[in-house]
Amino acid sequence: QLQLHESGPGVVKPSETLSLMCSVSDDSITRSTYMWGWIRQTPGKGLEWIGNIFETGSTYYNPSLHSRVSISMDTSTKQISLRLTSVTAADTAVYFCARGKTGVVVGAPRWFDTWGQGTLVAVSS
Amino acid sequence: DIVMTQSALSLSVTPGEPAAISCRSSQSLLHTSGYNYLNWYLQKPGQSPLLLIYLGSNRASGVPGRFSGSGSGTDFTLRISRVETEDVGVYFCMQTLQIPITFGPGTKVDLK
Repeated sequence: QLQLHESGPGVVKPSETLSLMCSVSDDSITRSTYMWGWIRQTPGKGLEWIGNIFETGSTYYNPSLHSRVSISMDTSTKQISLRLTSVTAADTAVYFCARGKTGVVVGAPRWFDTWGQGTLVAVSS
Repeated sequence: DIVMTQSALSLSVTPGEPAAISCRSSQSLLHTSGYNYLNWYLQKPGQSPLLLIYLGSNRASGVPGRFSGSGSGTDFTLRISRVETEDVGVYFCMQTLQIPITFGPGTKVDLK
């Protein structure tokens, strides 16, 4: 059964760059029937979609974060990475990676079928 | 952006009784394929979201038969035929018809 594991620093200083990694336990990262997303969760704003990456390497980002976010993947190491620049306290959240089933909608999966356990990132000096 | 709303932010249910959770979207989620791009998740305390229902009415693998999804267009309902103690948590709806993908605020279900 697929497992996703997010990792990264628990604390990032304001104005610095948040970098997270998601490790994929199986070979679905190489299959075009799947894509990968990052989602974050805060008590105040709930669940917020950050962005997606497809097997082709195509990426799609939430316009609210677009200028600050980048997602990449390395199929050889079975990892998906997230970078968020110029962080502020508003970026404090639990960050999840998730696997999605590709479909016909540009940039989006049909659904996310598996989520990682999430990693808490606090932005604090 | 498509705005997702869930009218009840909390719901207290009696074990063994049915429950219904509503979700509404600001635009129709009906794709030209005939599928509604609306998915339901349960987030149990301290866990990540678990897929329950995909494309409006399809139960995900391993999800008990007491869960069902219905609705079309802008109005959707998740039903639990007989609530069990393990069903407590927050239920979210999520639309994937267009990006940005958006989520409902969640309905917290607890037991009476």
